[in-house]
Amino acid sequence: SAVISQKPSRDICQRGTSLTIQCQVDSQVTMMFWYRQQPGQSLTLIATANQGSEATYESGFVIDKFPISRPNLTFSTLTVSNMSPEDSSIYLCSVGDPLNTEAFFGQGTRLTVV
Amino acid sequence: AQSVTQPDIHITVSEGASLELRCNYSYGATPYLFWYVQSPGQGLQLLLKYFSGDTLVQGIKGFEAEFKRSQSSFNLRKPSVHWSDAAEYFCAVGAWLTGGGNKLTFGTGTQLKVEL
Repeated sequence: SAVISQKPSRDICQRGTSLTIQCQVDSQVTMMFWYRQQPGQSLTLIATANQGSEATYESGFVIDKFPISRPNLTFSTLTVSNMSPEDSSIYLCSVGDPLNTEAFFGQGTRLTVV
Repeated sequence: AQSVTQPDIHITVSEGASLELRCNYSYGATPYLFWYVQSPGQGLQLLLKYFSGDTLVQGIKGFEAEFKRSQSSFNLRKPSVHWSDAAEYFCAVGAWLTGGGNKLTFGTGTQLKVEL
């Protein structure tokens, strides 16, 4: 199994600013995924980050708003840019395990934009 | 495109009663199916998963789920609910990516309340 650490665990930010969320995995993985969970809602995939290539974004999400970096096989960052109160959500990092196809999740970053 | 429907937004059961949470999926091939539980302020915990083989899958905390291809369903069951089972439950269908990882589509979730 993979252990995922996300930082920060929570933050309160001013509108118009940006926040970068870090995701560290204890093993090398090819694919990393970023999800958003808006208050009282389900999880929605933002993008898939493959090491060495540009992230692939889902419909409704764009790189200018959610730039992602994937510098190596154990680390990724998601930036929430030019934040508004509508960006208040839990952001979760997930990785796959090629051996058993399970999906592992970090504890999430709870973001509040005021 | 894959999709998941959880028809019940809220369910209330008495402690000790049986539980069934419904999940229907849409996917073009053999699906990877998951059930996750999320307690307030907590992360996602995997209860069980189905990829192939036996259609009745056993999970943690006494949960089980049955894959029924003909009904495109993957319902979660527990014979006797405990008060600590109160949480939000998410069903998800995964698309396996060549690079190694499941791209998950989640249902809207079912909030379980347990009455003592």
